[in-house]
Amino acid sequence: GQNIDQPTEMTATEGAIVQINCTYQTSGFNGLFWYQQHAGEAPTFLSYNVLDGLEEKGRFSSFLSRSKGYSYLLLKELQMKDSASYLCASGSSNTGKLIFGQGTTLQVKP
Amino acid sequence: ETGVTQTPRHLVMGMTNKKSLKCEQHLGHNAMYWYKQSAKKPLELMFVYSLEERVENNSVPSRFSPECPNSSHLFLHLHTLQPEDSALYLCASSRGTSGTLSTDTQYFGPGTRLTVL
Repeated sequence: GQNIDQPTEMTATEGAIVQINCTYQTSGFNGLFWYQQHAGEAPTFLSYNVLDGLEEKGRFSSFLSRSKGYSYLLLKELQMKDSASYLCASGSSNTGKLIFGQGTTLQVKP
Repeated sequence: ETGVTQTPRHLVMGMTNKKSLKCEQHLGHNAMYWYKQSAKKPLELMFVYSLEERVENNSVPSRFSPECPNSSHLFLHLHTLQPEDSALYLCASSRGTSGTLSTDTQYFGPGTRLTVL
């Protein structure tokens, strides 16, 4: 089967660190994407993990554990502009497509 | 600027109207996608084209009809829609062919906000 879970909403304070979790059940799993989507705008690519471990890219890092079916997106030194929806998506070699989670709406407060 | 454009950005139509959504990608990609995004729900894949051939149709109602005349353009023709079809319709493109669709980064357009009255 194919299933992705992520929290619906999160709130954090400017300058802080926030971790957005994503769990997946994907047959033929072959990688996990994170996208950022600001309100009224296109989703934009943040990261792609296919191997276990942490990938760091500036203030954003993404982690994957294939054995646990788990990923997280870590945002450091939060800025107001980081307020957006964060979409987790897993790829399946069985179906040949991506399955998206419902997205986590992050609100950054001063 | 993502290299994927969509028109119109907003569309209001009655249930008996016929309209079309247009998507154009300027990235030289081989695959194009239509997604439906409803509030608080995951992105739903509707159609996938790879090298202008449809490779995926997720049991979408026939009132949605896609057209891909070449690898840069994708249309979604709409007719006899229902109010529950109101949503954001997103177009995306990716580099590869049918064997790499699940691992290629997808680049999205800004979407068309559709309201069916």
